Amino acid sequence: DAGITQSPRYKITETGRQVTLMCHQTWSHSYMFWYRQDLGHGLRLIYYSAAADITDKGEVPDGYVVSRSKTENFPLTLESATRSQTSVYFCASSEEGAGGWNEQFFGPGTRLTVL
Amino acid sequence: AQSVTQLDSQVPVFEEAPVELRCNYSSSVSVYLFWYVQYPNQGLQLLLKYLSGSTLVKGINGFEAEFNKSQTSFHLRKPSVHISDTAEYFCAVSDYGNQFYFGTGTSLTVIP
Repeated sequence: DAGITQSPRYKITETGRQVTLMCHQTWSHSYMFWYRQDLGHGLRLIYYSAAADITDKGEVPDGYVVSRSKTENFPLTLESATRSQTSVYFCASSEEGAGGWNEQFFGPGTRLTVL
Repeated sequence: AQSVTQLDSQVPVFEEAPVELRCNYSSSVSVYLFWYVQYPNQGLQLLLKYLSGSTLVKGINGFEAEFNKSQTSFHLRKPSVHISDTAEYFCAVSDYGNQFYFGTGTSLTVIP
């Protein structure tokens, strides 16, 4: 399917476990992003990637790891999950426009619960 | 870094009434501006965007927004809302860096 997909859509895990959230896009966009959405905070950027093998921290990177070996995939790993990481996670992709940023396209989200 | 302020966290409005959702951002440098809508249990969809040109931008579903550079605002408006407009609305700003900055969202509830 064309577009941007995330898996799993729902995940329940326990404190201390490692969890990986997957993101896949079919547009060959250069840029990909991971956000978390929490009540009262809106969307906060965790990590972003400008191209394969190029990643950088966003506003709230602690406790998360990303990789991007292929342009179309951008997995997010919680190395040792904590309850504070219970959230809805959104992946997005974008291309840079002529003078700056163009719109971002969002996946459907992953609802993660850490018990 | 930019900051984006959505002054109203919740906006209830009666069906067929007009609505305005407010958005202010911090920087006066050139920016791109966006409004996204999020329906329950879904991802974000683009409503409209301002990149350059006319300060009045029209989007999908009858929404429009006006860019005001002197007031650093980008308020979203609709002259007559429908029940289906009930959703969370996010304002976002992009400058010439590598990040988008989102507001905390406004929950619009349309009352029958």
